[in-house]
Amino acid sequence: EDQVTQSPEALRLQEGESSSLNCSYTVSGLRGLFWYRQDPGKGPEFLFTLYSAGEEKEKERLKATLTKKESFLHITAPKPEDSATYLCAVQGDTGGFKTIFGAGTRLFVKA
Amino acid sequence: DVKVTQSSRYLVKRTGEKVFLECVQDMDHENMFWYRQDPGLGLRLIYFSYDVKMKEKGDIPEGYSVSREKKERFSLILESASTNQTSMYLCASLGAANTGELFFGEGSRLTVL
Repeated sequence: EDQVTQSPEALRLQEGESSSLNCSYTVSGLRGLFWYRQDPGKGPEFLFTLYSAGEEKEKERLKATLTKKESFLHITAPKPEDSATYLCAVQGDTGGFKTIFGAGTRLFVKA
Repeated sequence: DVKVTQSSRYLVKRTGEKVFLECVQDMDHENMFWYRQDPGLGLRLIYFSYDVKMKEKGDIPEGYSVSREKKERFSLILESASTNQTSMYLCASLGAANTGELFFGEGSRLTVL
């Protein structure tokens, strides 16, 4: 069964304090691993897709990396506006385009 | 601009009532999904549809049904609402298959009393 586990559940940072969020996954044939950002009271917004181990993607202060078992979302010099819940998800190569999500990491960045 | 619209942002229903949650997308996407989101559990897939009149069970389909009569519209139905179905419900449609990007609506917060 496909599974996604994210850690930590919550992370509190000072503005400018870099850190990483972890996503561990098990999937029968990875079609893609995804990162989303979700603000309170809103639907998730897409950030990145990673397809194979060794791949990296960057967007502003965020960088996502992928290994065969994990993905990391690195946040460099975060700002208060980066505060949100970050969700990791996977699609396997069976079950159509079924996308399985982790429980998310709530990030708080204090000025 | 891409848009997924959920008809009701907040609903309050009584136990045993039938509930309809509507979702419309304007992007001509084939695949659509219904999730529920609960604290600590993340998003759990209820049902998805890959074409008109086609549906597949997700991980937690019990107590729910769906309808996809038109490509742009995917409805979630709670035949007899129960208190444990109090949750945030999120509809999504799948963009280009090679990116796997899901476009989400704003969510429907359902409270069952």
